[in-house]
Amino acid sequence: EIVMTQSPATLSVSPGERATLSCRASQTVSSSLAWYQQKPGQAPRLLIYGASTRATGIPARFSGSGSGTEFTLTISSLQSEDFAVYYCQQYNNWWTFGQGTKVEIK
Amino acid sequence: EVQLVESGGGLIQPGGSLRLSCAASGFTVSSNYMSWVRQAPGKGLEWVSVIYSGGTTYYADSVKGRFTISRDDSKNTVSLQMNSLRAEDTAMYYCARGYRADYWGQGTLVTVSS
Repeated sequence: EIVMTQSPATLSVSPGERATLSCRASQTVSSSLAWYQQKPGQAPRLLIYGASTRATGIPARFSGSGSGTEFTLTISSLQSEDFAVYYCQQYNNWWTFGQGTKVEIK
Repeated sequence: EVQLVESGGGLIQPGGSLRLSCAASGFTVSSNYMSWVRQAPGKGLEWVSVIYSGGTTYYADSVKGRFTISRDDSKNTVSLQMNSLRAEDTAMYYCARGYRADYWGQGTLVTVSS
């Protein structure tokens, strides 16, 4: 099983600031990496797939990068609606998810 | 518009069985990779099972031998039959479309408790 490790567990950021979230895979997943946003009481929402392609309707302030085992999600200027939990997921070999990064208001 | 609606959750005793359904609209389930993902209260996401468009199925080790995924093409639904339920199966269960999960349902809550 491919283990996905996200860091940090919690990120405190002020509105308007940049947030950088990391995700590491225990073995290469090529570019088969997605990022999801989840708000309380809601289902996850796909943000990024293929490591760097934004899903339909996702604002340009969300960007993804990386390949192999190291990946990053960047939110360039945090808006109030961006405070949520973010999960990375590999889909190269079944699916496994990271444990999540909570982005909270500083 | 693509929509997924799960149903069938509830309170069940350990050792019991439950069948979850996921009704799809706006696309054809038989042409897609359909998965179930669960989330225990306050925890992260865990992949449970997948059914490919060709009908092949796979399961997480934690549910293998107890859960069965299936599809009803005439009703455009995907189901998850859950047997021998344990307390650790308590979770919100989501169905999702595609190998990169571009659409998710709102989930159905399964609580396994005596």
